[in-house]
Amino acid sequence: DTEVTQTPKHLVMGMTNKKSLKCEQHMGHRAMYWYKQKAKKPPELMFVYSYEKLSINESVPSRFSPECPNSSLLNLHLHALQPEDSALYLCASSQERSGQGGSTQYFGPGTRLLVL
Amino acid sequence: LAKTTQPISMDSYEGQEVNITCSHNNIATNDYITWYQQFPSQGPRFIIQGYKTKVTNEVASLFIPADRKSSTLSLPRVSLSDTAVYYCLVAVYGQNFVFGPGTRLSVLP
Repeated sequence: DTEVTQTPKHLVMGMTNKKSLKCEQHMGHRAMYWYKQKAKKPPELMFVYSYEKLSINESVPSRFSPECPNSSLLNLHLHALQPEDSALYLCASSQERSGQGGSTQYFGPGTRLLVL
Repeated sequence: LAKTTQPISMDSYEGQEVNITCSHNNIATNDYITWYQQFPSQGPRFIIQGYKTKVTNEVASLFIPADRKSSTLSLPRVSLSDTAVYYCLVAVYGQNFVFGPGTRLSVLP
């Protein structure tokens, strides 16, 4: 099973709302990732968790707050977003951090976020 | 970071073989080369990964020359459903994937 699930599939929120995106994998992977993808652009890395600890934050604004409650779950908490934050948010996981022995990242279907 | 360069777009017809070449001149010794396919509004899907020479699976082949400064993804007998964006990534040791702009493949009937 190489499935990564994400909920919700779609989310519409106002600029004053607080919402959360959820990601789950049951492949025993120890690295999990959040990416942001704008239309017709490649995915951009936001955060990396390795063994449940935040290891990379790619200078993401504090209105995005990641959380890794356990090795299978990854959340992205959203607060006071701007319309330009509207995008497809992708979660991925790999056995270990990519680059070490050729680990492969498996992606979820994404959450389509619209900020009004 | 090892940067990759791919053609921005390619057109093909159903039933043809498609070859997409990716350049990665400063690939490091420990780097692997990975290709993903992405359909609109979906997450990227792993296609194939290799280190050197040739790798083949049920959907594609990956050719990597001895100097590893480039790689070619080969899709045999494409169909309309292969229309997608294809990304070549070089896994940099100790770091993470950086997606380039990818190649937008259009398969025509």
